[in-house]
Amino acid sequence: DAKTTQPPSMDCAEGRAANLPCNHSTISGNEYVYWYRQIHSQGPQYIIHGLKNNETNEMASLIITEDRKSSTLILPHATLRDTAVYYCIGEGDGGSQGNLIFGKGTKLSVKP
Amino acid sequence: DAGVTQSPTHLIKTRGQQVTLRCSPKSGHDTVSWYQQALGQGPQFIFQYYEEEERQRGNFPDRFSGHQFPNYSSELNVNALLLGDSALYLCASSLLGFNSYEQYFGPGTRLTVT
Repeated sequence: DAKTTQPPSMDCAEGRAANLPCNHSTISGNEYVYWYRQIHSQGPQYIIHGLKNNETNEMASLIITEDRKSSTLILPHATLRDTAVYYCIGEGDGGSQGNLIFGKGTKLSVKP
Repeated sequence: DAGVTQSPTHLIKTRGQQVTLRCSPKSGHDTVSWYQQALGQGPQFIFQYYEEEERQRGNFPDRFSGHQFPNYSSELNVNALLLGDSALYLCASSLLGFNSYEQYFGPGTRLTVT
């Protein structure tokens, strides 16, 4: 089962890229990495997931290292609305399918 | 907008009372999971329902129970409320067999126990 670690907080200037790291050194070879975010007082929002190849969607890009021990979520042009807590979750962290295990995440503050 | 709705938005109850929270999943989804989020903490998994059965359960006492209806909507019931049950209760829907970890959350119900 994967266990993830993230920095507790990060700052980013508005309009710049926000790069959020996550370590998941114990992830298994067939376990995906998922990213969610939670804007204050709202429910978590699914962002993106990946296995070994880099992934990109309309919200973000996900870069996974070749050894799969870490990944980086990239918000290419951060806005004030991207201020949120970002969670990196390893598939199987909860030991059962579909049980999302949220850690403390990274609190991203986007500043003008 | 994830398309998941929850009711009520806020609720205030007294210790010892019982509460029922409701959730309607995103259209096309068949699985509902419930999470509890205490202030300043990440959400914690309570249980998951599929085909009207509890499919898996987190580390929560039997005071927490649930139900899923044929239309896939779900209820969370908490009996004998404790002050520590005060939290944001989140419902998430997904499609079993497709990608159970890609879940769509509702806005939550804020429960305050006094």
